[in-house]
Amino acid sequence: EVQLVESGGGLVQPGGSLRLSCAASGFTFSDHYMDWVRQAPGKGLEWVGRIRNKAKSYTTDYAASVKGRFIISRDDSKNSLYLQMNSLKTEDTAVYYCARRIRSGSSSSFDYWGQGAPVTVSS
Amino acid sequence: QSVLTQPPSVSGTPGQRVTISCSGSSSNIGIKTVSWYQHLPGTAPKLLIYSNDQRPSGVPDRFSGSKSGTSASLAISGLLSEDEVDYYCAAWDDSLNGVVFGGGTKLAVL
Repeated sequence: EVQLVESGGGLVQPGGSLRLSCAASGFTFSDHYMDWVRQAPGKGLEWVGRIRNKAKSYTTDYAASVKGRFIISRDDSKNSLYLQMNSLKTEDTAVYYCARRIRSGSSSSFDYWGQGAPVTVSS
Repeated sequence: QSVLTQPPSVSGTPGQRVTISCSGSSSNIGIKTVSWYQHLPGTAPKLLIYSNDQRPSGVPDRFSGSKSGTSASLAISGLLSEDEVDYYCAAWDDSLNGVVFGGGTKLAVL
């Protein structure tokens, strides 16, 4: 059974940092591109960024709203995905989901999601 | 302001068929495939449609997707009360170099 479990969410002050983790199981993690998607309170889904697999040199892409502040990384030996969030702003308050990209080639299709990690940025 | 445009809400009665539209541009829907998600806030989103019109295993055939030009649609037939959640379209955008979502559509089953 495919499972994605996020951890590391919590309360942080503006300007602070936080690192989210996503533990994957039930599939060959190293084969898949992995993404982070967030949902702010009362808002819609917003894509945060992606890390590709080893075959694509672990390249990353980020949404303009987080580029230069957030870093996505992965450790295939630990079946884990990470989101390092720096210089956090109040508008980064959201539930953060890790998601597995489907292998069909459809770039916007995520077939498995975690349960979400809440992040609150407030003083 | 989302890159993909969806109606904020649609409604239907049990058993009815409804459609949700998703309008994009030549840098996203016009050249890339569309996905659709069902989402109850606070839970994990569920993939309903990928590659414009493909259903993952386990998704009922009451859900269908289509795409024409720079627009896409999700159709839900035989409406059930459990369908009363939020729906999002998504596509890769070549200009932004990332995934873009629609603003979401809340479905009301009256």
